[in-house]
Amino acid sequence: GENVEQHPSTLSVQEGDSAVIKCTYSDSASNYFPWYKQELGKRPQLIIDIRSNVGEKKDQRIAVTLNKTAKHFSLHITETQPEDSAVYFCAASTGGSYIPTFGRGTSLIVHP
Amino acid sequence: DVKVTQSSRYLVKRTGEKVFLECVQDMDHENMFWYRQDPGLGLRLIYFSYDVKMKEKGDIPEGYSVSREKKERFSLILESASTNQTSMYLCASKRQGTGANVLTFGAGSRLTVL
Repeated sequence: GENVEQHPSTLSVQEGDSAVIKCTYSDSASNYFPWYKQELGKRPQLIIDIRSNVGEKKDQRIAVTLNKTAKHFSLHITETQPEDSAVYFCAASTGGSYIPTFGRGTSLIVHP
Repeated sequence: DVKVTQSSRYLVKRTGEKVFLECVQDMDHENMFWYRQDPGLGLRLIYFSYDVKMKEKGDIPEGYSVSREKKERFSLILESASTNQTSMYLCASKRQGTGANVLTFGAGSRLTVL
């Protein structure tokens, strides 16, 4: 089955800096890559996703890039703010069912 | 807004007890999931269901079973709870089919087994 590796496990940045979280996947058939954000004590929520026919997608301060050849994808957050502090999960899924396999999560801490 | 409701936010059970975790969604989603969340291990899939009365094992089904008698309800059952099942359990749902990719999660059920 699919295996998703996520790094780093913890990321500490100063407010205003950029943050990058990287994930790799094993199944070349994977074609959908969502990112979920989980704030402390809350449920995970989708923040951005990308399909395999697209190399990059942006939404305001966040962007995701995908390299299908290398089987890795990354989340980029620019101009980080304290409210970006959360655990971020990447995931990969295949086919019509889109059952995601999650990475282990990255705890992002943004210091004011 | 899709709502996924988990009936119990916090439970404390004893080793060997039978535990039921209930999840209800109100948007007629075909697919429902149970994940287990542990620090450093991420979200691990226990079981999922494509539709009523259907169930599929996920990555860590041992020690768990599920029931999906109605479309809106997906129950996770621990037949004989053990201390290593102390964890946060998250239910999620989504529509079936191409383009229906977004999981909506419940608030979680934190289970402690003594």
